Amino acid sequence: GAVVSQHPSRVICKSGTSVKIECRSLDFQATTMFWYRQFPKQSLMLMATSNEGSKATYEQGVEKDKFLINHASLTLSTLTVTSAHPEDSSFYICSARADSTDTQYFGPGTRLTVL
Amino acid sequence: GQNIDQPTEMTATEGAIVQINCTYQTSGFNGLFWYQQHAGEAPTFLSYNVLDGLEEKGRFSSFLSRSKGYSYLLLKELQMKDSASYLCAVSNQAGTALIFGKGTTLSVSS
Repeated sequence: GAVVSQHPSRVICKSGTSVKIECRSLDFQATTMFWYRQFPKQSLMLMATSNEGSKATYEQGVEKDKFLINHASLTLSTLTVTSAHPEDSSFYICSARADSTDTQYFGPGTRLTVL
Repeated sequence: GQNIDQPTEMTATEGAIVQINCTYQTSGFNGLFWYQQHAGEAPTFLSYNVLDGLEEKGRFSSFLSRSKGYSYLLLKELQMKDSASYLCAVSNQAGTALIFGKGTTLSVSS
């Protein structure tokens, strides 16, 4: 149990394009999901908290108009990186907080490379 | 402020026991988590402590002392596949994001 999927696992795109990443909790409900970014050899950095049916809460320094988050159901949150640039290249990881236990489970991550 | 400290690197040999310490100072406390992360992969859940004491799960055990703001992850009978980064994370309030330490990179040699 407690499986979180992320799609795609890897994406390469041209500068200026938009990329959508999906995060799904497969066997549990998650009112709250979190989006993290991790650069090589660094720790996870929280980007935003996504709550089902309401607006996401962004961490300081994260542009909400660039990183669009939608949490349309109790099992799905999406992160769209708009007008991606090479400096957006990173490992993006979502986690879903199980409503019943408060434990967070991570998706497998999406490696984004912007050329 | 929020602060979680853990050693940057540790080394050990196969079959040995290693203890990874974590100290934390957070505005609240709603539980402490340990995750394992292999290079290029997402973290996987190892353990959760919310009350003082030791939680044992196979080769891995985790200890918590809330009064000391201290936890450790104990790994027994080390295997090469245990080489990874181990992340200590604290929930300071139910439903909010975890606060992560910078991780401890463990290298297991034969």
